[in-house]
Amino acid sequence: DARVTQTPRDKVTEMGQEVTMRCQPILGHNTVFWYRQTMMQGLELLAYFRNRAPLDDSGMPKDRFSAEMPDATLATLKIQPSEPRDSAVYFCASGWSLQGSYTGELFFGEGSRLTVL
Amino acid sequence: AQSVAQPEDQVNVAEGNPLTVKCTYSVSGNPYLFWYVQYPNRGLQFLLKYITGDNLVKGSYGFEAEFNKSQTSFHLKKPSALVSDSALYFCAVSQRHNFNKFYFGSGTKLNVKP
Repeated sequence: DARVTQTPRDKVTEMGQEVTMRCQPILGHNTVFWYRQTMMQGLELLAYFRNRAPLDDSGMPKDRFSAEMPDATLATLKIQPSEPRDSAVYFCASGWSLQGSYTGELFFGEGSRLTVL
Repeated sequence: AQSVAQPEDQVNVAEGNPLTVKCTYSVSGNPYLFWYVQYPNRGLQFLLKYITGDNLVKGSYGFEAEFNKSQTSFHLKKPSALVSDSALYFCAVSQRHNFNKFYFGSGTKLNVKP
């Protein structure tokens, strides 16, 4: 049963610490998204990649957040330094798209719950 | 600006009754439309999508959705609700020329009471 895998599931850290969240997309998917979910803001798109290239990271605070795909099986989201307002659930999702062909569905991981004290 | 609106934060319905969760959108062109469901402490799961064709789309778990172009709506429906349908439901829209960019609504909490 193919699924998107995210680690860690839960992370508690102190303000100022570096946090790295990892995502393994479904094998064969070529598009990866990072979303942040909070009660106040709902689901916010932070970044997305297609064929490992970053296509849009306009929703991401550039001064402290960075997203990369070092290879097709790993996407990372890093926060340095972390702040209490970064506390949220971070979701990775993967999908498949090709010029002229589209499936449309995103497959979400279980999320990484981050608490910054 | 592109947007998706779910006007109800919460919908309450009795088990066995029909349910409707509303969604309207403002996206240029002819968008792709989706519904996702989120159970507590889980990621979102795909329910159904409208790409083209018949305005009534059938999806997982007995859900269906009706696309109405003139009203720019894509309401989620189910003829007979189950307690297990209680969850958070998200409407999402993407543009045909930029379909990798999804716009999610704020979510509607569905409570189905026994």
